Amino acid sequence: GAVVSQHPSWVICKSGTSVKIECRSLDFQATTMFWYRQFPKQSLMLMATSNEGSKATYEQGVEKDKFLINHASLTLSTLTVTSAHPEDSSFYICSASPGTTNTGELFFGEGSRLTVL
Amino acid sequence: LAKTTQPISMDSYEGQEVNITCSHNNIATNDYITWYQQFPSQGPRFIIQGYKTKVTNEVASLFIPADRKSSTLSLPRVSLSDTAVYYCLVGDNWGNKLVFGAGTILRVKS
Repeated sequence: GAVVSQHPSWVICKSGTSVKIECRSLDFQATTMFWYRQFPKQSLMLMATSNEGSKATYEQGVEKDKFLINHASLTLSTLTVTSAHPEDSSFYICSASPGTTNTGELFFGEGSRLTVL
Repeated sequence: LAKTTQPISMDSYEGQEVNITCSHNNIATNDYITWYQQFPSQGPRFIIQGYKTKVTNEVASLFIPADRKSSTLSLPRVSLSDTAVYYCLVGDNWGNKLVFGAGTILRVKS
């Protein structure tokens, strides 16, 4: 199946700093990618839909100035957590679909665990 | 987007068949039903997808009744490594904006 890779897989940062997480589709092009956040023992929560070449669409309650999303190419979307605080500590997961298999299958990255001290 | 309801958790033993049922009463005509598996600290992994009747692949079967208001994921002869969270999702055929429900924690014991 298609492969989606995230980097870094884990990151620890100080409060107030910004952290960038990359999501790459390795063997297919993805016009659309999705960013999720998952807190311990909870389900995935959709944060935003990242569209190549245009602005991301954020879900209600997600601060677009806090979570900057850039989808500059068909294989790369980035999520930048700006001025991170301890409450932003979470597991961030991206997903993408080739859009050509007609199955609607989403391929997920390995996830990136962010810890803000 | 159709909301899904699943049991919070299930326990099973190695070698048993496990059936996890999901309710999706408000499923739309164009919606497909997809199941994902998630291990701790990993991204979800696709298991199976269907629209109606029965679908089977190398790891699972998916049973969907005629009214499509529910579906059942069947895992034949589970092993310890099948301990994970299983999510049932409904959405269009392009995976757009899939919304995750609470999922079902499956614990397989020896």
